[in-house]
Amino acid sequence: DGGITQSPKYLFRKEGQNVTLSCEQNLNHDAMYWYRQDPGQGLRLIYYSQIVNDFQKGDIAEGYSVSREKKESFPLTVTSAQKNPTAFYLCASRMTSGAYNEQFFGPGTRLTVL
Amino acid sequence: QKEVEQNSGPLSVPEGAIASLNCTYSDRGSQSFFWYRQYSGKSPELIMSIYSNGDKEDGRFTAQLNKASQYVSLLIRDSQPSDSATYLCAVNKGRETSGSRLTFGEGTQLTVNP
Repeated sequence: DGGITQSPKYLFRKEGQNVTLSCEQNLNHDAMYWYRQDPGQGLRLIYYSQIVNDFQKGDIAEGYSVSREKKESFPLTVTSAQKNPTAFYLCASRMTSGAYNEQFFGPGTRLTVL
Repeated sequence: QKEVEQNSGPLSVPEGAIASLNCTYSDRGSQSFFWYRQYSGKSPELIMSIYSNGDKEDGRFTAQLNKASQYVSLLIRDSQPSDSATYLCAVNKGRETSGSRLTFGEGTQLTVNP
């Protein structure tokens, strides 16, 4: 059963804590992405990676960090430096070969700072 | 000017009507265009992709692209209450400029009334 999984579904964090959100895919996709969505808004790109051991900052990378040690996995750490981390976090992936750029999303993690 | 703009909504149509969702983009070099459907509390689901000028039909959905006018639209025929969701327009600038990043509009909320 191929797809993108994210865990946990809900996450609560105290101020000053770092938390790590998991994203795993078994679609053999090369590229992976992290987005943030705030209520009533579109998606904003945090980080993306097109190959293992390489990643690029998106539009709102400050206060976040990522790693890409395996093709299947792209975890996102929300650090204490992120001033307003409460949001819906979405992971996506896509193939990089071929002519098409379709991205597919995981179910998301809803992070709340207490 | 925002890179991707959608009609602000919310949009309300009666069951069986045609729903028309519109999106404009600012970068003339944009190559790929996508429509995602997002139900409340869920992650976006890809419903249409379009890469060349003209119409692309898939069931009750038709995507229309006009690169000269920098305009992409989504028509939903015979609208059903289950189509009630937020529709996100996403644009890809192309490999050479953006590494296949997607830029999203803020979404249009559609309600189909029985």
